[in-house]
Amino acid sequence: EAQVTQNPRYLITVTGKKLTVTCSQNMNHEYMSWYRQDPGLGLRQIYYSMNVEVTDKGDVPEGYKVSRKEKRNFPLILESPSPNQTSLYFCASSSGLAGQPQHFGDGTRLSIL
Amino acid sequence: AQSVTQLDSQVPVFEEAPVELRCNYSSSVSVYLFWYVQYPNQGLQLLLKYLSGSTLVKGINGFEAEFNKSQTSFHLRKPSVHISDTAEYFCAVSDQSGGYQKVTFGIGTKLQVIP
Repeated sequence: EAQVTQNPRYLITVTGKKLTVTCSQNMNHEYMSWYRQDPGLGLRQIYYSMNVEVTDKGDVPEGYKVSRKEKRNFPLILESPSPNQTSLYFCASSSGLAGQPQHFGDGTRLSIL
Repeated sequence: AQSVTQLDSQVPVFEEAPVELRCNYSSSVSVYLFWYVQYPNQGLQLLLKYLSGSTLVKGINGFEAEFNKSQTSFHLRKPSVHISDTAEYFCAVSDQSGGYQKVTFGIGTKLQVIP
């Protein structure tokens, strides 16, 4: 079954404690992306990757890091989380070709105290 | 730069009534258009997409949308809603320029179907 898997689904942590949210896809997609979803703001892109070792900033990259060492994995790293990063995060993948839809994971609800 | 406007943040509608969720976009180039649905505690799923050709696009679960280039709109419709359609709906747009697809999402419309 084609899927995008995120872990963890829920996380409560404290300010400044480094965390990583993992994302893996089994569709051999070249393009992967991270979004955050906040009430009234919709989905905003954090970072994206066009292929292995190719990443770029989205609309709201501050406070986040990513890496793409393997095609299937695209982890999101918060080196020093702060309360304003409390949000619902989604990983997505697609072939990357214009017009192709994205496949989304089920989301990670992150609370930073 | 692209932008997407979903004019209604919430739409309550009675079961078996018709519904229209509005979406307008702003882009200086030709675009691809999408509607995604998000059920509670789930990620987004593709409902339908417009790439080219017929301006009336049919999707899953009885939904359809009409692309109107002159009004830069892509409204989503369903003639008779069910309780199970209660969800949040996102309109999205990407440029038809080749290569990487930058997708811009609207802020979402919450559809609440009332029994």
